[in-house]
Amino acid sequence: EPEVTQTPSHQVTQMGQEVILRCVPISNHLYFYWYRQILGQKVEFLVSFYNNEISEKSEIFDDQFSVERPDGSNFTLKIRSTKLEDSAMYFCASSEEVRGADTQYFGPGTRLTVL
Amino acid sequence: AQSVTQLDSQVPVFEEAPVELRCNYSSSVSVYLFWYVQYPNQGLQLLLKYLSGSTLVKGINGFEAEFNKSQTSFHLRKPSVHISDTAEYFCAVSDYGGATNKLIFGTGTLLAVQP
Repeated sequence: EPEVTQTPSHQVTQMGQEVILRCVPISNHLYFYWYRQILGQKVEFLVSFYNNEISEKSEIFDDQFSVERPDGSNFTLKIRSTKLEDSAMYFCASSEEVRGADTQYFGPGTRLTVL
Repeated sequence: AQSVTQLDSQVPVFEEAPVELRCNYSSSVSVYLFWYVQYPNQGLQLLLKYLSGSTLVKGINGFEAEFNKSQTSFHLRKPSVHISDTAEYFCAVSDYGGATNKLIFGTGTLLAVQP
């Protein structure tokens, strides 16, 4: 069964460093998302992406964050200068369509630890 | 704005006992409703979703949920749980007919099945 994959599974970085989290969505999906979950808190929407453009972003997704689809398979989230509060589990998801009814398929997540 | 409340952070239950995980939502518009499950070290997996029609929705692994519009609830149930059902369960909503389909999640409920 097709699945969303994410690398690395765990990333440790120093405050102020740049990190890139990578995702490979399901191959025929066209819509991509990033969510994050700070330990003990809700899973929160960060950004959605379609046709090489951001469709929607949350208040969390400020200028420190960017997303890119550098080739036909990868979807990346970059954090330019990490802060302690960026420590969280980051989930990538993809869906075939953008309608609210469509199922989003999630990857296993990348745990980001900022020291 | 939409919100999802899962009042129980943890639900301990004995194997073969029934279980109900509670979910209430708040929204000024109609929504789609979802339950996702997260097994240890894995991504979020869709259990079931309510789009329209019958208010009783059946999902994978013997789970079902009932949509109650008047009580704005979407509680998840299973008549007899197994050890393997031990996982974190997330309730989520998305806009009905909205321009995007970002998911708004609850804080999750840890179902701990004991032998």
